[in-house]
Amino acid sequence: GENVEQHPSTLSVQEGDSAVIKCTYSDSASNYFPWYKQELGKRPQLIIDIRSNVGEKKDQRIAVTLNKTAKHFSLHITETQPEDSAVYFCAASPGGSYIPTFGRGTSLIVHP
Amino acid sequence: DAEITQSPRHKITETGRQVTLACHQTWNHNNMFWYRQDLGHGLRLIHYSYGVHDTNKGEVSDGYSVSRSNTEDLPLTLESAASSQTSVYFCASSGQAITDTQYFGPGTRLTVL
Repeated sequence: GENVEQHPSTLSVQEGDSAVIKCTYSDSASNYFPWYKQELGKRPQLIIDIRSNVGEKKDQRIAVTLNKTAKHFSLHITETQPEDSAVYFCAASPGGSYIPTFGRGTSLIVHP
Repeated sequence: DAEITQSPRHKITETGRQVTLACHQTWNHNNMFWYRQDLGHGLRLIHYSYGVHDTNKGEVSDGYSVSRSNTEDLPLTLESAASSQTSVYFCASSGQAITDTQYFGPGTRLTVL
């Protein structure tokens, strides 16, 4: 089955800095890659996603890049703010499956 | 507005007792999922369902069961609760397309003493 590795497990930045979270996946059939944000005590919520036929996608301060050849994808957050502090999960969904495999999460801490 | 709810939000039980966690969605989604979340392990899939009367095991299904008698509900049962099942449980649902977003419920914090 699919295996998703996520790094780093913890990321600490100063407000205004950029943050990058990286994930790798194993199943070349995976074609959908969502990212979820989970604030403390809350449910995971989708913040951005990318499909395998797209190399990059942006939404304001958030961007995701995908390298299918290398089987890795990354989340980029620019101009970080304290409210960006949360746990971020990447996931990969193999073609033909509705079931994403999640990475173990990255705890992002943005210091004011 | 459509939503996904879980009950109870918090539950304390004793080892060996049967426990059922409820999940109800009004999105009319065919796909429903149960995950457990533990520190250092992220979200691990317990069971999932693609529709009424369909259930499938996930990677950590031992000690858990589900049933799907209608579109809206997927209750999760712990047959004989164990301390290792102390966790936060999330239900999720998604629509027909593979790229459809998974919507998560608010979670149930279960403590097994």
